[in-house]
Amino acid sequence: DAGVTQSPTHLIKTRGQQVTLRCSPKSGHDTVSWYQQALGQGPQFIFQYYEEEERQRGNFPDRFSGHQFPNYSSELNVNALLLGDSALYLCASSLRISGGLSSYNEQFFGPGTRLTVL
Amino acid sequence: GDSVTQMEGPVTLSEEAFLTINCTYTATGYPSLFWYVQYPGEGLQLLLKATKADDKGSNKGFEATYRKETTSFHLEKGSVQVSDSAVYFCALTADKLIFGTGTRLQVFP
Repeated sequence: DAGVTQSPTHLIKTRGQQVTLRCSPKSGHDTVSWYQQALGQGPQFIFQYYEEEERQRGNFPDRFSGHQFPNYSSELNVNALLLGDSALYLCASSLRISGGLSSYNEQFFGPGTRLTVL
Repeated sequence: GDSVTQMEGPVTLSEEAFLTINCTYTATGYPSLFWYVQYPGEGLQLLLKATKADDKGSNKGFEATYRKETTSFHLEKGSVQVSDSAVYFCALTADKLIFGTGTRLQVFP
């Protein structure tokens, strides 16, 4: 079992550019959540995808968007990059339980993508 | 809104010392509480959890008790090792995971 994988590992962009980050969930998981972790801070919830739809969203602008594919993998897109978007972006996968919220289940985190915006 | 407050680090200890990392929370409902650990260069790993008041989570010698009366979930370990050096995050779930800012633990031989 490969666990949660993310690509790329590192990325350098300039202000105004667009970026796409990718995540493959742990085998058997159907829900993917994305987090932004600024240097020296705890992860901040961006959004969560289940059944190819955004189910929950944190306090992030519309520049942050995502997608989930039929194989449960997911992408995070950020448009019009700002210097403040520089962070470690974490993907977490879990298995949604019937009638419950996936956030109550253990979330398995990937190693993250380090995004630097110059 | 819901939030988590952790003691600031770094916490610096000698091997075999006793560890306490304080965590308090604010929540309108009855959240589940978690401790995650982040080793250098790695992703977050769940260390332990507690889902209701008075529950004690434990793993790898670490323990934390869900104290509803003091809204706390302090992490403890009786004897730390150099390999415990990492950043520790307290977190809660309401409808999503909310993390504290993290506490860096440095253990020296």
